[in-house]
Amino acid sequence: SQQGEEDPQALSIQEGENATMNCSYKTSINNLQWYRQNSGRGLVHLILIRSNEREKHSGRLRVTLDTSKKSSSLLITASRAADTASYFCATALTSGTYKYIFGTGTRLKVLA
Amino acid sequence: GAVVSQHPSRVICKSGTSVKIECRSLDFQATTMFWYRQFPKKSLMLMATSNEGSKATYEQGVEKDKFLINHASLTLSTLTVTSAHPEDSSFYICSANSREGRTYNEQFFGPGTRLTVL
Repeated sequence: SQQGEEDPQALSIQEGENATMNCSYKTSINNLQWYRQNSGRGLVHLILIRSNEREKHSGRLRVTLDTSKKSSSLLITASRAADTASYFCATALTSGTYKYIFGTGTRLKVLA
Repeated sequence: GAVVSQHPSRVICKSGTSVKIECRSLDFQATTMFWYRQFPKKSLMLMATSNEGSKATYEQGVEKDKFLINHASLTLSTLTVTSAHPEDSSFYICSANSREGRTYNEQFFGPGTRLTVL
């Protein structure tokens, strides 16, 4: 089953621009994580944000979480061609099962 | 960060054969491991939760007899695709949670196994 939907499905920007991806989910969560995946490769963990946090930063990444709207956003500032990848949000439910459900993903293409 | 390995990274097999994929946590003990499959340009779909020493919990729509999961130790879980068919061709990814603590922790993902069934 799919918990989250990401928007947009695909995004194409110029190098140096900012990229914003949104994730909406359906049920209450304990935390939400963002991952990156290069084509045909494994997942790289980017940021974990807990349900009691509203914003987190890591380098050029900024993640926000709005639990009232059941949504999160990932902002990549000053994008680079190397940021081209698919980005997924994954939510950990509060049911205690420790399992994560992935969103549909955003395919980001940064043009040099 | 913790490391999770998968073996093999790529496998091609004939229709009707069974394929075993291993997922290992290399430097930590994993009470729970998860198996996902991913179709091209699609998201990861959780297949099952693998708990050490007990039966796996399968997601709705996943055939238990088709995808056999064994979590015999705190560092190893295996997924066996039985009597594989071309529609089973996919990218299979495992992940593991650290055993430490009782809070939700970051999941550590393996690099994935690409299965192609001819």
